[in-house]
Amino acid sequence: SAVISQKPSRDICQRGTSLTIQCQVDSQVTMMFWYRQQPGQSLTLIATANQGSEATYESGFVIDKFPISRPNLTFSTLTVSNMSPEDSSIYLCSVRTSANEQFFGPGTRLTVL
Amino acid sequence: QKEVEQDPGPLSVPEGAIVSLNCTYSNSAFQYFMWYRQYSRKGPELLMYTYSSGNKEDGRFTAQVDKSSKYISLFIRDSQPSDSATYLCAMIVGGYQKVTFGTGTKLQVIP
Repeated sequence: SAVISQKPSRDICQRGTSLTIQCQVDSQVTMMFWYRQQPGQSLTLIATANQGSEATYESGFVIDKFPISRPNLTFSTLTVSNMSPEDSSIYLCSVRTSANEQFFGPGTRLTVL
Repeated sequence: QKEVEQDPGPLSVPEGAIVSLNCTYSNSAFQYFMWYRQYSRKGPELLMYTYSSGNKEDGRFTAQVDKSSKYISLFIRDSQPSDSATYLCAMIVGGYQKVTFGTGTKLQVIP
């Protein structure tokens, strides 16, 4: 299994600012993902962040808006840039183990005013 | 047609009932199947993981996979109010493929 922590757990931000979310895993994993979840909705994949390669973004998500760092096998950051109220959501870090089990962090609840 | 279909519910059952949650899928390449439980305002918690047809049991939870019918189920025995949550099915082809999620079924267990 993998235990994931995220910081911050929640934040309220002003329009036009940026927020960086940190994800820490208790074991080394190659595959790491960032998701967004709107209230009452299922999970939407933002990007895949495998260590040693550039992040791969899903349709509708761009690097300028959601830059990602993956400096090592246990850590990643997602930045939400130039925020607008439409970015209000829960942001989730996720990892996949070598056994193809996928675990999620507790999430970061972001509110943009 | 979506790759994974899941009844969104809500599903309300009395405490102690047996709950059956189901997903169907269309991609026969899926090999790994998971069920997540998600409480309100929390991240999804991996409940069950399986990669073969048949049943897998863990306490009050049983995951069932029928690859020939492209159908997976999660059974909860002796349901408790603490089981009230949204349950997501998920599946992967394998390797570096992304996970495909169902839309989630909201379950309420009435005391």
